[in-house]
Amino acid sequence: AQSVTQPDIHITVSEGASLELRCNYSYGATPYLFWYVQSPGQGLQLLLKYFSGDTLVQGIKGFEAEFKRSQSSFNLRKPSVHWSDAAEYFCAADFGNEKLTFGTGTRLTIIP
Amino acid sequence: DTAVSQTPKYLVTQMGNDKSIKCEQNLGHDTMYWYKQDSKKFLKIMFSYNNKELIINETVPNRFSPKSPDKAHLNLHINSLELGDSAVYFCASSQATGATAAFFGQGTRLTVV
Repeated sequence: AQSVTQPDIHITVSEGASLELRCNYSYGATPYLFWYVQSPGQGLQLLLKYFSGDTLVQGIKGFEAEFKRSQSSFNLRKPSVHWSDAAEYFCAADFGNEKLTFGTGTRLTIIP
Repeated sequence: DTAVSQTPKYLVTQMGNDKSIKCEQNLGHDTMYWYKQDSKKFLKIMFSYNNKELIINETVPNRFSPKSPDKAHLNLHINSLELGDSAVYFCASSQATGATAAFFGQGTRLTVV
């Protein structure tokens, strides 16, 4: 079945430290892949997307993600987090069925 | 300028009532969606419309009826509200289906008491 998995429910990092949020998908081909961020009480903001081509994609707010076909992964990274990055992060995929399938989200807490 | 706007942002109502949530996008997109986020923050699609035509109806109870008067608007009407309908409802839009990104509204937090 087509699915998106975010193995980490909650991650805590210190301000200034690097960050990697994991995302895996289950699909027989390469889906379109997205990362969204949801700040408390807010909507979903698109951070970045991957459709094809270069497997390292740059997004807003200093985020990047790398698509690895061999691992069916699309992990989100940031070299140095800021307190304002504390939020819920969602990985999503379009499996060619004209809708987004979301992972369960990873809550990011930043320690001063 | 808000790209995808929903009203109201908060909605508290009693069981059995009928309510509507409105959504408008000014991005010129052809496709609009309704997603539901449950209490565990899980997001799932409910409906999608492309240029006013229903494309996806994801096993949603008949009490939920979307209406798209034009391609910039997609409203959600809910009849006979139940406690289990309490959730955050997100409207979204995209240029088309496929290799495009969806842009989301701020959400409507519906609480049924």
